[in-house]
Amino acid sequence: NAGVTQTPKFQVLKTGQSMTLQCAQDMNHEYMSWYRQDPGMGLRLIHYSVGAGITDQGEVPNGYNVSRSTTEDFPLRLLSAAPSQTSVYFCASSYLASGNQVDEQFFGPGTRLTVL
Amino acid sequence: DAKTTQPNSMESNEEEPVHLPCNHSTISGTDYIHWYRQLPSQGPEYVIHGLTSNVNNRMASLAIAEDRKSSTLILHRATLRDAAVYYCIRTTLNSGGSNYKLTFGKGTLLTVNP
Repeated sequence: NAGVTQTPKFQVLKTGQSMTLQCAQDMNHEYMSWYRQDPGMGLRLIHYSVGAGITDQGEVPNGYNVSRSTTEDFPLRLLSAAPSQTSVYFCASSYLASGNQVDEQFFGPGTRLTVL
Repeated sequence: DAKTTQPNSMESNEEEPVHLPCNHSTISGTDYIHWYRQLPSQGPEYVIHGLTSNVNNRMASLAIAEDRKSSTLILHRATLRDAAVYYCIRTTLNSGGSNYKLTFGKGTLLTVNP
């Protein structure tokens, strides 16, 4: 049971480049989410999903796309990287209690992204 | 809008209990309180969550005030490994009766002295 895995661990991009951050979980969780954490700040929700084919926006969705084709995977795409997207990105997953409440979230180790 | 208020930092001594406060004065009857912690250079880790009554698990206890406007995370015997940022999060049901968004504030930085 690997839990939540994220790749890559580190990435450096140039402004305007695109890339995909990978996230996978092996716990059969319905709910998956992406957060970003800037230095000295708390986490901000980017996008989330409550099942395959169902995604929605969080607090800071601009510049990011997501899709959920399987229960296990929830990739985050940066369309055209900007220096403001330099951050640490965390993926998380959870059961949905009573079908509609986020329960204990399991977080991945994070991807540290630098955009030059 | 984190909707909770926590002290920026607290200190404790090893093997002593720690009480981490959280204020959520505008809480409604269906809002849960979640606690997570984040050790340096790691992803957040779930600690505990509750709705009305006090909750206990192997990591900590959560004491929720009778009026639910505040709560306290209790670490019964702090260890050096408990040094982390602790986040108190209030979850709110949306108009559809679901809660899919957890909002993390800046949390409380707990320092544990040997």
